[in-house]
Amino acid sequence: TQLLEQSPQFLSIQEGENLTVYCNSSSVFSSLQWYRQEPGEGPVLLVTVVTGGEVKKLKRLTFQFGDARKDSSLHITAAQPGDTGLYLCAGVSRDMRFGAGTRLTVKP
Amino acid sequence: GAVVSQHPSRVICKSGTSVKIECRSLDFQATTMFWYRQFPKQSLMLMATSNEGSKATYEQGVEKDKFLINHASLTLSTLTVTSAHPEDSSFYICSASRTGLRGQPQHFGDGTRLSIL
Repeated sequence: TQLLEQSPQFLSIQEGENLTVYCNSSSVFSSLQWYRQEPGEGPVLLVTVVTGGEVKKLKRLTFQFGDARKDSSLHITAAQPGDTGLYLCAGVSRDMRFGAGTRLTVKP
Repeated sequence: GAVVSQHPSRVICKSGTSVKIECRSLDFQATTMFWYRQFPKQSLMLMATSNEGSKATYEQGVEKDKFLINHASLTLSTLTVTSAHPEDSSFYICSASRTGLRGQPQHFGDGTRLSIL
């Protein structure tokens, strides 16, 4: 059973467009992490959000943790080809579980 | 800092072979290491959690006699896939945590692509 649902599963956009990726669950998490994974490599941690309603920014990436700590979103402004990759959210409760991921392709 | 090295990066071998994958934390001591498996276009599935000096904890459905884990030191954990078969072909990724506490960052290796012929 997948604890975390990510949407969309696949996303292909043109360079310069904005996008939002969602991570939803019925469970409450003590924290939630976002990773990006490129083909043939391990995931790289982008951010950890801890507090309900928290918003963190990392250059063109904005991460938000839901007020109830059950969901999160990742917004990318003016996407670039270098943003291409698999974006994974991971919720931390009793342990840490990954969502299925959103595979983003940004075309030049 | 927090570099995790995984070796080998790719293995191709015949069915029935046992394959050992190493996961090393290069610049920190890892109390806890995690082993994941990732099938094509799917997410990471946790296989087991290993703590230095103790037996690994396996997730439901993962055969501990099939996937042998040894965490003999604070910088090295190994996963041995015994008598591998084509259905074991996958991308295996390890991660290491300084403390193993919930929510603490996990630092991932670059994975091992295992192909069983």
